[in-house]
Amino acid sequence: AQSVAQPEDQVNVAEGNPLTVKCTYSVSGNPYLFWYVQYPNRGLQFLLKYITGDNLVKGSYGFEAEFNKSQTSFHLKKPSALVSDSALYFCAVRAPFGYNKLIFGAGTRLAVHP
Amino acid sequence: EAGVAQSPRYKIIEKRQSVAFWCNPISGHATLYWYQQILGQGPKLLIQFQNNGVVDDSQLPKDRFSAERLKGVDSTLKIQPAKLEDSAVYLCASSFQADGEKLFFGSGTQLSVL
Repeated sequence: AQSVAQPEDQVNVAEGNPLTVKCTYSVSGNPYLFWYVQYPNRGLQFLLKYITGDNLVKGSYGFEAEFNKSQTSFHLKKPSALVSDSALYFCAVRAPFGYNKLIFGAGTRLAVHP
Repeated sequence: EAGVAQSPRYKIIEKRQSVAFWCNPISGHATLYWYQQILGQGPKLLIQFQNNGVVDDSQLPKDRFSAERLKGVDSTLKIQPAKLEDSAVYLCASSFQADGEKLFFGSGTQLSVL
């Protein structure tokens, strides 16, 4: 069965510092991996995805994520955090092909302090 | 391009009452999803439609929840009768392809069952 773990409920970082939001997964076969962001009172927005290819994928708003197959991880990163990055971040995974459902983690709240 | 539209934005009902949510996906998107997001948890897929056919409803509590997508466009999710544990945000999403590589979410309907 597919599963996603986001081990941190909240991540605090100072503006201008690098940030990392952690995600580990479990899925049969090669995973499709995603990050979504949720701002207050808004729906989830797609940030980036990994399907195949380069292990480092770049997405919206300067975010990137690194796929590590041996550690079954897909951590979200940004070199320099902005206060406006403060939001709820969700990692998601699905098995490849067909109608396999997208499974979301519980979310990590990112707080960027001025 | 117009996004995924959902209504109502908020709904408060008493337990054992019924409620319905409406969703209009992005034009041309064949796949439509209903997710339930309980406070502090990640979204959980309730049902997935491909055009007007159901491809996954394994986590839909069918004794009280129902959903339809007539004509393969907009969709309605109904709860009858509601329970206290149904209090959550109900998110509708759509994607162009059935493999759901990128989902577009609506702002959701926040349901409170008293």
